[in-house]
Amino acid sequence: NAGVMQNPRHLVRRRGQEARLRCSPMKGHSHVYWYRQLPEEGLKFMVYLQKENIIDESGMPKERFSAEFPKEGPSILRIQQVVRGDSAAYFCASSPTTVGALTEAFFGQGTRLTVV
Amino acid sequence: AQKVTQAQTEISVVEKEDVTLDCVYETRDTTYYLFWYKQPPSGELVFLIRRNSFDEQNEISGRYSWNFQKSTSSFNFTITASQVVDSAVYFCALLAYNFNKFYFGSGTKLNVKP
Repeated sequence: NAGVMQNPRHLVRRRGQEARLRCSPMKGHSHVYWYRQLPEEGLKFMVYLQKENIIDESGMPKERFSAEFPKEGPSILRIQQVVRGDSAAYFCASSPTTVGALTEAFFGQGTRLTVV
Repeated sequence: AQKVTQAQTEISVVEKEDVTLDCVYETRDTTYYLFWYKQPPSGELVFLIRRNSFDEQNEISGRYSWNFQKSTSSFNFTITASQVVDSAVYFCALLAYNFNKFYFGSGTKLNVKP
């Protein structure tokens, strides 16, 4: 059973371009979470999705950022018109159900976005 | 509000020394989970341990041990006889309330020198 797969691992974008980050959850996992790690900081929650639904987007910036988790295919975190401040590592995690006593979230290896 | 504080930004030790990484958390929930993750220089997050709020037993796994004390809201991590391969950033995290999101501390960078 492959782990959480994120691609690309490294992404370079010029200011104003769009960045699309992909996350394929573990097999059987229908819950996906995105976190952002700014340089020298801890991870900050961005959004929690279940198949075709956004459950909690309280950590998402109001503009330029969007996320989806379609019925088929990976979850996508999309950043439009990137700025230098978007440079960070973006981590995806997945779980089969809500994380709790018997369930835990598994993290991918992250996508490192650099905006030049 | 949920919050995790890792006051130690960076620690340097010489190989074979013992080192303790501190973690203090805040939550009003009675049911919650605490985690430690390791982030080596390669960048991935490696799960180390999960504890629930009802289990205050200390845990030992090889050279690693964890001390959970609800009275002081702390979940400290000790590495015994540190090795160079332990060099990494270590994150403490809290999962509480609706269990939809982790609250991570800012991390402690551990440098183990030969």
